[in-house]
Amino acid sequence: EVQLVESGGGLVQPGGSLRVSCAASGFSLSTYSMNWVRQAPGKGLEWVSYISSNSNLKYYADSVKGRFTISRDNAKNSLYLEMNSLRAEDTAVYFCARRVGAYLTRMDVWGQGTTVTVSS
Amino acid sequence: QSALTQPASVSGSPGQSITISCTGTSSDVGGYNSVSWYQQHPGEAPKLIIYDVSDRPSGVSSRFSGSKSGNTASLTISGLQAEDEADYYCISYTSISTLVFGPGTKVTVL
Repeated sequence: EVQLVESGGGLVQPGGSLRVSCAASGFSLSTYSMNWVRQAPGKGLEWVSYISSNSNLKYYADSVKGRFTISRDNAKNSLYLEMNSLRAEDTAVYFCARRVGAYLTRMDVWGQGTTVTVSS
Repeated sequence: QSALTQPASVSGSPGQSITISCTGTSSDVGGYNSVSWYQQHPGEAPKLIIYDVSDRPSGVSSRFSGSKSGNTASLTISGLQAEDEADYYCISYTSISTLVFGPGTKVTVL
């Protein structure tokens, strides 16, 4: 079964750091570009970051640029999001999503999400 | 990033058709055919229902259709059913190689 499973969420203090992971199964992550999308409690979806299949291209939303770093380990079939200088407004469910080929907004497989809470 | 606009809510009776708009600029919606729509039920992950303005993934009901005119993309749900009650989000590629979601539209089936 094709599946994405996020992990690593939790409670962190403002200014702290956290790394969330996304494990792929049922397919080879190495052939897909990936995105992170988040959703604050009771709010809409927000695109966070993109990484190409070979890690050559990385893009970030202005709201996280300079604080978050996307990376991947294709050998481990895993995607990561390193989050630093966390703020209360980063509190959200973080989803990883698989992009289909060259279709820029076509994300066909999503994880169930991992919850990050930034609070003192 | 640019912001897209969607109506906060749309409602309709079973069997009716409804349309949700997604308005951007020439730097996003108007400049590319890379506009998709996602359906999200409470507590679930989003589900792709339309990509590249008007294409439907396999397995998605033909009651869902998409179009675009200028800077506005639209999602139409025909033959509205109770199961269509959900939040709907548009997303567009932008001129600075980022993606941007609309704020979402809550669809209520009366």
